Amino acid sequence: DAGITQSPRHKVTETGTPVTLRCHQTENHRYMYWYRQDPGHGLRLIHYSYGVKDTDKGEVSDGYSVSRSKTEDFLLTLESATSSQTSVYFCAISGGRFDEQYFGPGTRLTVT
Amino acid sequence: DAKTTQPNSMESNEEEPVHLPCNHSTISGTDYIHWYRQLPSQGPEYVIHGLTSNVNNRMASLAIAEDRKSSTLILHRATLRDAAVYYCILSSSGGGADGLTFGKGTHLIIQP
Repeated sequence: DAGITQSPRHKVTETGTPVTLRCHQTENHRYMYWYRQDPGHGLRLIHYSYGVKDTDKGEVSDGYSVSRSKTEDFLLTLESATSSQTSVYFCAISGGRFDEQYFGPGTRLTVT
Repeated sequence: DAKTTQPNSMESNEEEPVHLPCNHSTISGTDYIHWYRQLPSQGPEYVIHGLTSNVNNRMASLAIAEDRKSSTLILHRATLRDAAVYYCILSSSGGGADGLTFGKGTHLIIQP
């Protein structure tokens, strides 16, 4: 299995509070991604990174920010969590732009 | 982005071959065809990908139509562990955000 972990695995937070999810990889892959998955939807891309300090927006980036200060870590921040951000968040890594992606185990976030 | 069409669900028997279809009639010449699957309560898992020629790996085979407007994922001998949602995804080198665009996929049910 690809060395990719997510923390925390579960989190319950209140509306309006900031939340940071962490994705950590040990594969030295260049590309990292954050997706969210909601019932009735496939995974949707939030943000991605193509190198240290190089990030770009995905399909559903509003309300989210990301940072990548090291190759191995990609952080997803909800500045002020809302109930609509209750979801399962998956991180993925890839060695190349069109290479296969390896997914982490997911973080279940509940915003009350 | 080119889209894919898959049946919502399919059912098969254990130890029999399974053919999962995917239509992508608006595929461009630079689109790769990817297949991922997602087991219950897990992140997606890469299965196989190809561009023009048929591809085989230890998990499955990918048969791509000559006009590339459709493809079929073949599981040669299904097991209960193959019960999952299977996603057919196109990724393009023609610009746009990186990352994969997941549809709703095909829910594969394996009967013992």
